[in-house]
Amino acid sequence: DVVMTQSPLSLPVTLGQPASISCRSSQSLVYSDGNTYLTWFHQRPGQSPRRLIYKVSNRDSGVPDRFSGSGSGTDFTLRISRVEAEDVGVYYCMQGTHWPPGFTFGPGTKVDIK
Amino acid sequence: EVQLVESGGGLVQPGGSLRLSCTASGFTFSNSEMNWVRQAPGKGLEWISYISRSSSTIYYADSVKGRFTIFRDNAENSLYLQMNSLGAEDTAVYYCARGVSGGWEIDFWGQGTLVSVSS
Repeated sequence: DVVMTQSPLSLPVTLGQPASISCRSSQSLVYSDGNTYLTWFHQRPGQSPRRLIYKVSNRDSGVPDRFSGSGSGTDFTLRISRVEAEDVGVYYCMQGTHWPPGFTFGPGTKVDIK
Repeated sequence: EVQLVESGGGLVQPGGSLRLSCTASGFTFSNSEMNWVRQAPGKGLEWISYISRSSSTIYYADSVKGRFTIFRDNAENSLYLQMNSLGAEDTAVYYCARGVSGGWEIDFWGQGTLVSVSS
């Protein structure tokens, strides 16, 4: 089964500074249709996850442009150009390429303010 | 506005059963694949089940296979999860989540319902 890893697992950040989270998969996430089904979610404390990025680099409607996604194959990155207070929480990457067994999530990266 | 509202969670004894519901609105439910994802207290996200639009394709995670059953009623815009033989390891917030892109992605989550398994 495909395994998703993230680093770091904890990321203290300074307001206004950039931040970067890495996500790696144990197998290529390129699907036979040519798409790469790698998604990023943000979960604030006490809330349900919210999708930020889909298919590696496509930002969802309403997501600030300080968020960007990149990568290919097995290595992916979520970047925040300038961290704001509302960005705290846990960020998860998720693969949807390999079915079965189904969606697989990374362990999450907890972002908080220094 | 897309909405997914889960209900049916609560406290149940080990070995017991519970049925969760998810009511959808703001989109054409019958055109969407659906999923259940859970999150144990203080832990990460775990996908547990998928159902296709017509219920013709269903998948389960190994952790719930044989104990949980996913089903849907498109006429009622509702998704369900029948959970049997519950154990402490099933204690979690259960989210219903909408699938998109033919089911290869999730785009929207409900607010979740808490299931606690304890004697």
